[in-house]
Amino acid sequence: EPEVTQTPSHQVTQMGQEVILRCVPISNHLYFYWYRQILGQKVEFLVSFYNNEISEKSEIFDDQFSVERPDGSNFTLKIRSTKLEDSAMYFCASGTGQSTEAFFGQGTRLTVV
Amino acid sequence: AQRVTQPEKLLSVFKGAPVELKCNYSYSGSPELFWYVQYSRQRLQLLLRHISRESIKGFTADLNKGETSFHLKKPFAQEEDSAMYYCALWGRGYQKVTFGTGTKLQVIP
Repeated sequence: EPEVTQTPSHQVTQMGQEVILRCVPISNHLYFYWYRQILGQKVEFLVSFYNNEISEKSEIFDDQFSVERPDGSNFTLKIRSTKLEDSAMYFCASGTGQSTEAFFGQGTRLTVV
Repeated sequence: AQRVTQPEKLLSVFKGAPVELKCNYSYSGSPELFWYVQYSRQRLQLLLRHISRESIKGFTADLNKGETSFHLKKPFAQEEDSAMYYCALWGRGYQKVTFGTGTKLQVIP
């Protein structure tokens, strides 16, 4: 069964450093998403991406964040200058657009120190 | 705006007891409602969606538009049901799923 895969599973970075979180969505999906979950809190929407552009973003997704689909398979989330409060589990998801079901990756735990 | 409320952070039940995880939503249009489950150290998985009206692992959920609720129910809890459960909403015109805060279900043997 196809799955969304994310790498790395855990990343530790120093405050102020740039990080790139990588995702490989399911191959025939057209919609891509990033969510985050701060420890003990709910899953929060960051951004949705369709047709090579952002279709919706939350207030969390400020200028420090960017997304890219650099080739036909990867979907990346970049945090330009990490802050302590960026520490969270980041989930990538993808969907066909024909149904509203979103398939989630296993997550990347980002720890900013 | 779309909002999902799960009032219980933790729900503990004994094995074999009935389970009801509460979910209320706020959305002006016609939403699609989902329940996602996250077992320990695993990814979020779709458990069920209201439009398919199916029962997965013995769980059912009925959309009550009058009460704006989508409570998740199971008549007899099993130990393997212990997990985090998230109610979620997809509002038409939005390109995102909005999650509730989640309820941890703990089934006591």
